[in-house]
Amino acid sequence: QKEVEQDPGPLSVPEGAIVSLNCTYSNSAFQYFMWYRQYSRKGPELLMYTYSSGNKEDGRFTAQVDKSSKYISLFIRDSQPSDSATYLCAMSAGGTSYGKLTFGQGTILTVHP
Amino acid sequence: GAVVSQHPSRVICKSGTSVKIECRSLDFQATTMFWYRQFPKKSLMLMATSNEGSKATYEQGVEKDKFLINHASLTLSTLTVTSAHPEDSSFYICSARGPSGGSYEQYFGPGTRLTVT
Repeated sequence: QKEVEQDPGPLSVPEGAIVSLNCTYSNSAFQYFMWYRQYSRKGPELLMYTYSSGNKEDGRFTAQVDKSSKYISLFIRDSQPSDSATYLCAMSAGGTSYGKLTFGQGTILTVHP
Repeated sequence: GAVVSQHPSRVICKSGTSVKIECRSLDFQATTMFWYRQFPKKSLMLMATSNEGSKATYEQGVEKDKFLINHASLTLSTLTVTSAHPEDSSFYICSARGPSGGSYEQYFGPGTRLTVT
C-alpha cells in the first residue's frame, strides 16, 4: 500500500464548477499537509498548507484535513480554465523526517470554458 | 517570493556520459535542498536531502555513487548523474526549504528534463 493515495483522474469540469480533490494516507505520523499545483513541464507551486486537522481557506481554495480518517481534500470554487493543471497532495512528518515530503500521484484537472 | 532556478532546463546526453544539474536559490539562503525525480504522469519521488556543508542523505534505493550531490554554498546544490543510461531519463526537480525554515515551506525549481540516448 502506498503511503499516499490520490486518484490520478483525469478530471474534466466546466468553468465555474466546484472541484473536489482528495488524498488518503496511511502514515499517522504525518502532521503537515500541502497542496501543490503543477503546470506541464514546470515545478510544483505551493497552493495551500495545513498543520494537523482543520480547514483553511484562501480565496477560491479551501483545504480540509481529517486526521482521524487520514483524509485530506482541496476544494476549488468557481473553477477557471487557468486552474487546469496537475494537483499534487503532499505530506510531511515532524521529527527526523522534518521537511521530507511524500507526494500523491497527482490529479490531472481540466477546466473547459 | 522565494525563487529557485535550475540549469539546464533540458539536456540530452549520450549513454555513459555524466551530466550536472544546478539548483540555485536566487533571493534567499537555503541550508537544505531536496532533489526529486518525476516520471511521466507519476508523482515526485524524493531522491536525497542536500545539506550545506555536509554529505547528502539518500533515500532507500537511490545509488549515491550514481547520483552525486554537492551543496557547497547556501544558494547552490548540484546533482551529477554519472555514467548515465537511458533508464536515467527523467524529469529532475529540486526544492529549497524557504527562509522561515518551516516544514511546509519548500520552493521548487522549474525542473530539468534529462534524456539519455
